[in-house]
Amino acid sequence: GAGVSQSPSNKVTEKGKDVELRCDPISGHTALYWYRQRLGQGLEFLIYFQGNSAPDKSGLPSDRFSAERTGGSVSTLTIQRTQQEDSAVYLCASSFQYGGYEQYFGPGTRLTVT
Amino acid sequence: AQTVTQSQPEMSVQEAETVTLSCTYDTSENNYYLFWYKQPPSRQMILVIRQEAYKQQNATENRFSVNFQKAAKSFSLKISDSQLGDTAMYFCAFMISQGGSEKLVFGKGTKLTVNP
Repeated sequence: GAGVSQSPSNKVTEKGKDVELRCDPISGHTALYWYRQRLGQGLEFLIYFQGNSAPDKSGLPSDRFSAERTGGSVSTLTIQRTQQEDSAVYLCASSFQYGGYEQYFGPGTRLTVT
Repeated sequence: AQTVTQSQPEMSVQEAETVTLSCTYDTSENNYYLFWYKQPPSRQMILVIRQEAYKQQNATENRFSVNFQKAAKSFSLKISDSQLGDTAMYFCAFMISQGGSEKLVFGKGTKLTVNP
């Protein structure tokens, strides 16, 4: 079946502009995660959605970052007033549900802020 | 603080040989999950192996196996009969589940190169 998809694959934006990154999880997966991967680093947790519960936003680095998940499926990560330090690969993952299940990752969006 | 440490930034191995990647972690939890993920140049994160902390038996998946030492908080990955396609970044990760939320905490990764 289809895996996790993300769009766009690459995004170049000017400093100060807003960007939206999209994630389509695997159908039937109730849990959705966003991570950030800076060059040469491991992944950093950003936000977690589980069903209709309030999301865990504890990993968002600043109030310029926000995310939503509509209808328990598609998610959008928005970065306002982008800064050069926001340049990274943003990875989305989904899993069947809460409880230690495997997270399936999308191919990521490479964001470059010039 | 929950942390994952991978002490080997880079490793190399000859094709068909065996290599072990190290990982240690820090947690006060008793029940948790540990993972090894592989990230080839394509950027796609792929699960290699998963271990449940309450299971004493080490997980295995074909040529991949782990040495899970709970008391020492160590979770190393052994790759047997290395293949060229194993060349990738390998990330050790620890899953924290608290208050209805969960997330993976990753190490910084080990870059593995398999040489022909």
